Amino acid sequence: GQQVMQIPQYQHVQEGEDFTTYCNSSTTLSNIQWYKQRPGGHPVFLIQLVKSGEVKKQKRLTFQFGEAKKNSSLHITATQTTDVGTYFCAGLSNFGNEKLTFGTGTRLTIIP
Amino acid sequence: KAGVTQTPRYLIKTRGQQVTLSCSPISGHRSVSWYQQTPGQGLQFLFEYFSETQRNKGNFPGRFSGRQFSNSRSEMNVSTLELGDSALYLCASSFRAGREKLFFGSGTQLSVL
Repeated sequence: GQQVMQIPQYQHVQEGEDFTTYCNSSTTLSNIQWYKQRPGGHPVFLIQLVKSGEVKKQKRLTFQFGEAKKNSSLHITATQTTDVGTYFCAGLSNFGNEKLTFGTGTRLTIIP
Repeated sequence: KAGVTQTPRYLIKTRGQQVTLSCSPISGHRSVSWYQQTPGQGLQFLFEYFSETQRNKGNFPGRFSGRQFSNSRSEMNVSTLELGDSALYLCASSFRAGREKLFFGSGTQLSVL
């Protein structure tokens, strides 16, 4: 079945440093979504990417969808303490009954 | 507009018991998905319902079942509980199935002793 992997699993950064998490799917995706889960909270939708090579920005966050639609990345510029949490990508399969498969997540910790 | 509501918030059960969790989606949303979240395994897909029909199913044993009612509310049931079933169970709703973004509830934290 479809697998979606994320690296790294954990990332500790100094406040103000940049952060990137990478998402790789074993199969081609229709689209990819990104979610953020704060400690003790539930996942909250951030963005959806649909087109091959698409790049979207939300303030300090930059999201990319690979040309082959099998990988994606989230880059945060100049991290702040409010960025703490676990970031999940979720890929929608291209086949059959479309199913959203979540990545393993990257847990971001900020060192003040 | 009220968000996704899950009840109960916390639950403690013993091995062998069964449990039923409830999820009320955002008003107007017809798709409900269930996920199991554990510290080491991330978000594991259980099943998705749309208009009272199970649309997709994850790789969980038959002890895990669910259903959706005509008002889009959904329940999931776990029978013969095992220690490994201890997890946060998250419900998410969307207007349509498939490509829509998900709105998650706060989850039900299940502890099996």
